[in-house]
Amino acid sequence: DTGVSQDPRHKITKRGQNVTFRCDPISEHNRLYWYRQTLGQGPEFLTYFQNEAQLEKSRLLSDRFSAERPKGSFSTLEIQRTEQGDSAMYLCASSPSSGGLTGELFFGEGSRLTVL
Amino acid sequence: DQQVKQNSPSLSVQEGRISILNCDYTNSMFDYFLWYKKYPAEGPTFLISISSIKDKNEDGRFTVFLNKSAKHLSLHIVPSQPGDSAVYFCAATGGGKLIFGQGTELSVKP
Repeated sequence: DTGVSQDPRHKITKRGQNVTFRCDPISEHNRLYWYRQTLGQGPEFLTYFQNEAQLEKSRLLSDRFSAERPKGSFSTLEIQRTEQGDSAMYLCASSPSSGGLTGELFFGEGSRLTVL
Repeated sequence: DQQVKQNSPSLSVQEGRISILNCDYTNSMFDYFLWYKKYPAEGPTFLISISSIKDKNEDGRFTVFLNKSAKHLSLHIVPSQPGDSAVYFCAATGGGKLIFGQGTELSVKP
């Protein structure tokens, strides 16, 4: 399967703990995006990368959130000191540069976070 | 501020009839408008798009219409099939991030 892969698919954690999600994009896609989705809402933009450069970060993202894409391939999203409001589905998507301009993104199945 | 809005959380239609999903936007700088489809436990998948310089794009049973003066777009599905039952997200981009609406859950009844 050569789609976007996310790990873990489900994570249950206690408030105050740190969690990290990993995303493996489609190979040779140089754009990678992170979104968050809560029940009844559309995906909310968090951040995106062009290769290893983080080009934009949502002001919704507090200092507890950090994303990296060190070699321009896979990416990690870390949430420190989790809060119950962080409970959501975290979606990763990738695209070639042209797809990023036209909005055609390929999404993974998401990582669901539950903070108790 | 919600730049892309879908005001109908749900829509139910009979198999074989037309489904019309609506979307409004506020940012006149958007270049492309898209529709994504999402089944439970899956990520959204791209369905159809339209450039801001066009007013219609058709792909099989799916047609997207863009009315720039009204800042409104719609997705028509004809004929609707039970397999079309899913959540549909309208989205828009100016070349960087993609901004999504809240989604409309479509139910196509046999």
